[in-house]
Amino acid sequence: NAGVTQTPKFRILKIGQSMTLQCTQDMNHNYMYWYRQDPGMGLKLIYYSVGAGITDKGEVPNGYNVSRSTTEDFPLRLELAAPSQTSVYFCASSGHRAGVTETQYFGPGTRLLVL
Amino acid sequence: KQEVTQIPAALSVPEGENLVLNCSFTDSAIYNLQWFRQDPGKGLTSLLLIQSSQREQTSGRLNASLDKSSGRSTLYIAASQPGDSATYLCAAGETSGSRLTFGEGTQLTVNP
Repeated sequence: NAGVTQTPKFRILKIGQSMTLQCTQDMNHNYMYWYRQDPGMGLKLIYYSVGAGITDKGEVPNGYNVSRSTTEDFPLRLELAAPSQTSVYFCASSGHRAGVTETQYFGPGTRLLVL
Repeated sequence: KQEVTQIPAALSVPEGENLVLNCSFTDSAIYNLQWFRQDPGKGLTSLLLIQSSQREQTSGRLNASLDKSSGRSTLYIAASQPGDSATYLCAAGETSGSRLTFGEGTQLTVNP
């Protein structure tokens, strides 16, 4: 049981390039999330999904896109990378049963530098 | 819009001391309140989750309380150890608990 895995661990992008951050969970959780964390700050929600085929915007969705074709995978797409997207990106997942959302489990993060 | 504040931003204590970390939130209509631990360069690890109907949760040396009416939560750590050194984040859950608003964290250092 690997939990939540993220790839890559670190990436440098040039301004205007695009990339996809991968996230996979093996806990059969229906809820998945993407956050970004800037230095010395808390996490901000980018997008989340309550199940395959369903996604919704969080607090800071601009410049990002997501898809959820399977329960296990929730990739985050950056189009036209900008220096403001330099951050550490965390993926998380949680179960949801009988109207109760359980605790979120986090991946190790992807450190992204846009130059 | 929910705002979560954590005080202090940093705390340094000697080993063995009992300590309290504070978290406040502006909108009392929360679904749950969670405390996480983050080690340098790592992801977050869940410590305690308090549902809105609960007043506190305990796990080992950790105890978290929730007072929705005053918009406050505290994390109490008993008999602190150097291994407790980390950043502690609280997060208020909305929309059935799926959307979390995080505070900026308290960086704790426990000195041997």
